[in-house]
Order: sequence, then C-alpha cells, then structure tokens
Amino acid sequence: DVKVTQSSRYLVKRTGEKVFLECVQDMDHENMFWYRQDPGLGLRLIYFSYDVKMKEKGDIPEGYSVSREKKERFSLILESASTNQTSMYLCASSGDGGASYEQYFGPGTRLTVT
Amino acid sequence: AQSVTQLDSHVSVSEGTPVLLRCNYSSSYSPSLFWYVQHPNKGLQLLLKYTSAATLVKGINGFEAEFKKSETSFHLTKPSAHMSDAAEYFCVVSVWGGATNKLIFGTGTLLAVQP
Repeated sequence: DVKVTQSSRYLVKRTGEKVFLECVQDMDHENMFWYRQDPGLGLRLIYFSYDVKMKEKGDIPEGYSVSREKKERFSLILESASTNQTSMYLCASSGDGGASYEQYFGPGTRLTVT
Repeated sequence: AQSVTQLDSHVSVSEGTPVLLRCNYSSSYSPSLFWYVQHPNKGLQLLLKYTSAATLVKGINGFEAEFKKSETSFHLTKPSAHMSDAAEYFCVVSVWGGATNKLIFGTGTLLAVQP
C-alpha cells in the first residue's frame, strides 16, 4: 500500500513564525503536491514537484515556498505565517501514469496561526 | 479551462435509501474524472475513477458513477446508504499542469446519513 505521511496532525504557530510542514512518501513516486483545504472551497493546489529539486506553482502559491531535496520528501514552508494561512494542509503523491493516475493523500496537518 | 461543479453542498439521506451526489464537468477534451471521499479527521481516499474505458465505473464500498458526455455529468450513486457513508465527497478532474497532471477539485458535498 502507498503510504504518505505528514510530520504533524496538529500545529499551532504564532504570526510571523517560519513554519515547516514535512511530507514523506514510500512509493518512489515522481510527483508530489501540497494543497490547502478550506470549508466550502475544496482543495486548492499550492505547489507541486515533478522531480527532485523541480517545482511548479499551483493556484495559490503566495506566501508559501517548497523544497524537494530527496525524491521521497517534499516540504512546504510558510516564510512568515499569517492568520489567513490557518487551514488544513494535505500532501499527495502520484506516479507518472498520465491523466488517469490517481494521487495518494496523507492524513493532513491542521495548522492554526494565532 | 477544465473544471468540476458539485451541485449540492449538503445531502441528507436515510439509512437504506439511495444516494445521489451530482457533479458536472467542463472540459475541451475527454477528461479523466475521479471521486474521492474524506471521512472525518481522515485523509482523502479514492472511490473510483473514469478514464474512458467504460462509462459506468464501479468503485469501493458499493459506489458507482456514470460518465455522460451529452450531459457533461459524472454523478456518484449508491443503491443503499449506510451510516459509515457519512463523509465529504469530492468530484475531481485531472488536467495537464505543464510538467505533470494536476487535480482540480470541486467544492465538496457533505453527505449525512440519518438512522
């Protein structure tokens, strides 16, 4: 079974702090994704990576950056956390199987910025 | 641009009655479509996917969906709801992101199952 793990289930940070969210997958997948999930908005893509050290902006990249130094690990960085970044963050991974290839999701990190 | 629209934000059914969760898609070519489910405090799980092989797609836990090109719909159904089906359901379309495929999510339908 594919396993995607995220470093924390719940996180509370203060405004202005630098925040790191870590994601690890164990299926040697090429692609990894970070989403945020907000009520009534579904999931929105923040960044994705299709190879080590390669990254692309998603639909809402402002205020975030990412790092992928190893194939299995994809980090989301909030450079200076703000209250409007309070949300559920989900990581996913997928192989290179084309449009029909599904993504596998981690359990999520609920981040609260106070 | 490709997108999906989930027509109901909340659906409530009684246990043992049919479930219908509606999804319309917009796509300039034959899309790949998915339904994902999210149980409370859990990650997203794939229910089923359509990839143009067959218009009626069967998924896990008795769910199925029918791709109707003429109606641009991909509705999710189940003949008889179970209490464990209470969850949020997302209709999703896959799009080319320039370097790999990306998923575009609908806004979700929260399914409540009454005893």
